[in-house]
Amino acid sequence: DAKTTQPPSMDCAEGRAANLPCNHSTISGNEYVYWYRQIHSQGPQYIIHGLKNNETNEMASLIITEDRKSSTLILPHATLRDTAVYYCIVRVVQAGTALIFGKGTTLSVSS
Amino acid sequence: NAGVTQTPKFRVLKTGQSMTLLCAQDMNHEYMYWYRQDPGMGLRLIHYSVGEGTTAKGEVPDGYNVSRLKKQNFLLGLESAAPSQTSVYFCASKRGGPFSGNTIYFGEGSWLTVV
Repeated sequence: DAKTTQPPSMDCAEGRAANLPCNHSTISGNEYVYWYRQIHSQGPQYIIHGLKNNETNEMASLIITEDRKSSTLILPHATLRDTAVYYCIVRVVQAGTALIFGKGTTLSVSS
Repeated sequence: NAGVTQTPKFRVLKTGQSMTLLCAQDMNHEYMYWYRQDPGMGLRLIHYSVGEGTTAKGEVPDGYNVSRLKKQNFLLGLESAAPSQTSVYFCASKRGGPFSGNTIYFGEGSWLTVV
């Protein structure tokens, strides 16, 4: 599996966009980029995933660079409830695989 | 829907005692997982199962055993608990199939303290 590198922490003002970077320079062609978040020791929550195209859903947008070596999760209007640990995971989607979590980025949203 | 339910939510064990954590999911998912999370750390995969009657080791399987006798249940056992197993344990599940899906559903966690 490709290794991911994320900053340990980031700050964001409430109402502003939060841009969380992830480096995955060794990603292979059949590996997807997943983002999960964990709020205050609750079970992790799926946010979004993508292969090579940019993706958007009701929670966030995922921007993947053309060479796929890095990506950015964008929370367009961060709220206090978005304060959490955000995990970027790269994994092949196939039967029998599991998601391996790193340390993630702690995002602190303040008013 | 209940989703993924873990029992118990809190437990204190003495060193050497045994216990079983139960995970139940009502989404008819093929895949189930057990993770542990230590303070300030990310989740680490203990064991997982891709179907009823099958199990496989994850990153940190030592000291744990698992069983998947029924599709909806995934049990995590500690035969002889050690203080190093003090942690929060998360169970998770997802659907199977040729494209195994993107969403893993997690339980709320089980806090285990071994003294």
